Amino acid sequence: QSALTQPASVSGSPGQSITISCTGTSSDVGSYNLVSWYQQHPGKAPKLMIYEVSKRPSGVSNRFSGSKSGNTASLTISGLQAEDEADYYCCSYAGSSPVVFGGGTKLTVL
Amino acid sequence: EVQLVESGGGVVQPGGSLRLSCAASGFTFDDYAMHWVRQAPGKGLEWVSLISGDGGSTYYADSVKGRFTISRDNSKNSLYLQMNSLRTEDTALYYCAKGYSYGADYWGQGTLVTVSS
Repeated sequence: QSALTQPASVSGSPGQSITISCTGTSSDVGSYNLVSWYQQHPGKAPKLMIYEVSKRPSGVSNRFSGSKSGNTASLTISGLQAEDEADYYCCSYAGSSPVVFGGGTKLTVL
Repeated sequence: EVQLVESGGGVVQPGGSLRLSCAASGFTFDDYAMHWVRQAPGKGLEWVSLISGDGGSTYYADSVKGRFTISRDNSKNSLYLQMNSLRTEDTALYYCAKGYSYGADYWGQGTLVTVSS
């Protein structure tokens, strides 16, 4: 049950695009299209941004997109806005121990 | 509107027990698996436990296996987490979350558990 690996921090300027990676193994990210991404602002509960690798829940901006290649999933935020500054977590189905989160990435909008 | 409201947190000594509750509304409760996820102060999210919609299947993180028990009462639209043999490292904000495709699409605001002597 090792946590998925995410960069501790990423940054970008308003209007730019950034990508956050989430690296797992062939036992989790690599084997299932069940990766989700969450945004968490300070003092708030997490919010689902992407599920099943690339699907967006109703109400989530289309500036947020997800993808996967091999054992690595990615969240891309385009047209970066100040309100996107938050912590982001990936999560994957992992078989018998079914859920594993990434360590989280702090996004700073410069 | 989906609402999840956790309760039952508090301060407990190491080795003690606590029972968390989560009251759900706004959706057909027994149609969905439910999670407990925790977040230690200043740290990331850690998945704790998952229970199927009918309560027949339960899963636990290795860090809590044998000490925590997840359960639900579908007649009361409620989720529970019985926590025994608590350790200082169990100190965290505990979130109840509605399952969706092995992720979670709605989260409560959390209840704080502090394990300290």
